[in-house]
Amino acid sequence: AQKITQTQPGMFVQEKEAVTLDCTYDTSDQSYGLFWYKQPSSGEMIFLIYQGSYDEQNATEGRYSLNFQKARKSANLVISASQLGDSAMYFCAMRESYSSASKIIFGSGTRLSIRP
Amino acid sequence: GAVVSQHPSRVICKSGTSVKIECRSLDFQATTMFWYRQFPKKSLMLMATSNEGSKATYEQGVEKDKFLINHASLTLSTLTVTSAHPEDSSFYICSAGGGMKVNEQFFGPGTRLTVL
Repeated sequence: AQKITQTQPGMFVQEKEAVTLDCTYDTSDQSYGLFWYKQPSSGEMIFLIYQGSYDEQNATEGRYSLNFQKARKSANLVISASQLGDSAMYFCAMRESYSSASKIIFGSGTRLSIRP
Repeated sequence: GAVVSQHPSRVICKSGTSVKIECRSLDFQATTMFWYRQFPKKSLMLMATSNEGSKATYEQGVEKDKFLINHASLTLSTLTVTSAHPEDSSFYICSAGGGMKVNEQFFGPGTRLTVL
């Protein structure tokens, strides 16, 4: 069964607009972590933001925020004031444990393109 | 954040040869390392989890004898693609875990393997 679902294969957004990338997940664990990564054309995986399952506040990192709705099992990434450099693949990922020694599995990704 | 390096960054080899990819954790001791492969325009697929000093745990469908993983020290894990064939051509990415920070997972820059 698919654990991480990203339903938007591609998105186009006008520069300076906000954009929401959708992510839903499935787990029976109580302790888990959710990640968002950005992958530009160079291939490197750039860590953006993390949300622990017990965190009551939505995570924020600069222009990135994670809209965590635990009951709905969703963890959408919001990018405010998008920039041309935000064009890349974005992956939602989950670790079914709080241990950093546990594996992370990825969603299928969303390709974000920012229009000037 | 922590730094994970991979070597080589790019390799081209003939069909039937073996290729070794190194993953190094440069500034923290990684008790666990993860190996992923990524086909063009696809997501990262976990291949195996390697723990220092023990045998790797392979994901379903991954050939153990084809993809040899060794995690000889807390800073080095190697992936050897044995008798490589064109279908093994892919982007291989390692990740280091086991550090103190649970909200981060560090990835190497990736190795692009092309088998002719």
